Amino acid sequence: DVLMTQTPVSLPVSLGGQVSISCRSSQSLVHSDGNTYLHWYLQKPGQSPQLLIYRVSNRFSGVPDRFSGSGSGTDFTLKISRVEPEDLGVYYCLQSTHFPPLTFGSGTKLEIK
Amino acid sequence: EVQLVESGGGLVQPGRSLKLSCLASGFTFSNYGMNWIRQAPGKGLEWVASISSSSSYIYYADTVKGRFTISRDNAKNTLYLQMTSLRSEDTALYYCARHDRYNWVMDAWGQGASVTVSS
Repeated sequence: DVLMTQTPVSLPVSLGGQVSISCRSSQSLVHSDGNTYLHWYLQKPGQSPQLLIYRVSNRFSGVPDRFSGSGSGTDFTLKISRVEPEDLGVYYCLQSTHFPPLTFGSGTKLEIK
Repeated sequence: EVQLVESGGGLVQPGRSLKLSCLASGFTFSNYGMNWIRQAPGKGLEWVASISSSSSYIYYADTVKGRFTISRDNAKNTLYLQMTSLRSEDTALYYCARHDRYNWVMDAWGQGASVTVSS
């Protein structure tokens, strides 16, 4: 199974600041169809996860452009600029290229510095 | 509006069974694959099982294979998870999630059903 390693575990940030979260996979996430199925979710406190970014860099409906995803192969990054209070929570990456299983990163908690 | 509402959670003794349901609305349920994802208290997300739109394809995590059964009733817009031989490590919040087949991503989640396995 593909192992997804997220860093850092905790990420203190000042409101208005910019942060990056890293997600690395134990093998390439490029599918034989040429697509890379790496996605990002945010789980706000007390809520279910919500999709932010799909297939590396595509923002889901309603997601502000402060969120951006990048990367390729085994190395991916979620960048959040102009952090707002509503951005706080735990961020997870997910790979679906090598399904089954679906595998999540262990999460990165974004909190106020 | 897409809605997924889980039910059926509760407190159950080790070794016993429990069946979760997920009622879908706001979209054509029979066109979408569905998933169960769980989250143990204070922990991360763990995929549990997936089922294709017509139930032709079903997959399980190794941790639940042989004990859990995913199924669906497209006429009732409902997804199920039958859990047997429950263990303390199955204690978690169980989410159902819709599967976008074009982008291979879960794009809508329910609010979760809490399952506690304890004597």
